[in-house]
Amino acid sequence: QSALTQPASVSGSPGQSITISCTGTSSDVGSYNLVSWYQQHPGKAPKLMIYEVSKRPSGVSNRFSGSKSGNTASLTISGLQAEDEADYYCCSYAGSSTLGVFGGGTKLTVL
Amino acid sequence: EVQLVESGGGLVQPGGSLRLSCAASGFTFSSYWMHWVRQAPGKGLVWVSRINSDGSSTSYADSVKGRFTISRDNAKNTLYLQMNSLRAEDTAVYYCARETSIAALGYWGQGTLVTVSS
Repeated sequence: QSALTQPASVSGSPGQSITISCTGTSSDVGSYNLVSWYQQHPGKAPKLMIYEVSKRPSGVSNRFSGSKSGNTASLTISGLQAEDEADYYCCSYAGSSTLGVFGGGTKLTVL
Repeated sequence: EVQLVESGGGLVQPGGSLRLSCAASGFTFSSYWMHWVRQAPGKGLVWVSRINSDGSSTSYADSVKGRFTISRDNAKNTLYLQMNSLRAEDTAVYYCARETSIAALGYWGQGTLVTVSS
């Protein structure tokens, strides 16, 4: 399994919206509605932000939303805030009872 | 409150062994699938292994298959990762995590650093 493809970096100004893409294949993203997104601040453990493509865990701001089209999933963050600056990782189930495959990560900079 | 606390990391020589532990509290440990995920310094997240709730089924990433063994003791609320034949490329922070939905990890420990070097 190859890692999912994410842009290395994205940036936006406070209040703006940004979208991070996550491209896989018909064997992972395209086959399962089991894409999750994680936020990781430096030196901290990852935090689940989105699961099953578009569901938000309790406590996660509704500024975070997820979607999927074909082999590409997306995370959108609206109303950017300084605390959103972090690394973001997508992950897709790929069968075989594993967790799946992660993307390479995207560094979000809030200008 | 759900808590996952890893321990057992450290410096080990190539070819050596190490056993990581993850002590769980705040939930019914025996009801959940558990995972290990690692992150090499400055790199991204990589899934390592998972175990089902009663320990009867396990799965591994190809990079660790045959060298790492995941296990759990539901009576002690503890998850383990036995790592043998360690290589320099196994150097990473190792996180234990709990599934909260299929293929989604809603709770993570703070991580434990494993350094493989001579």
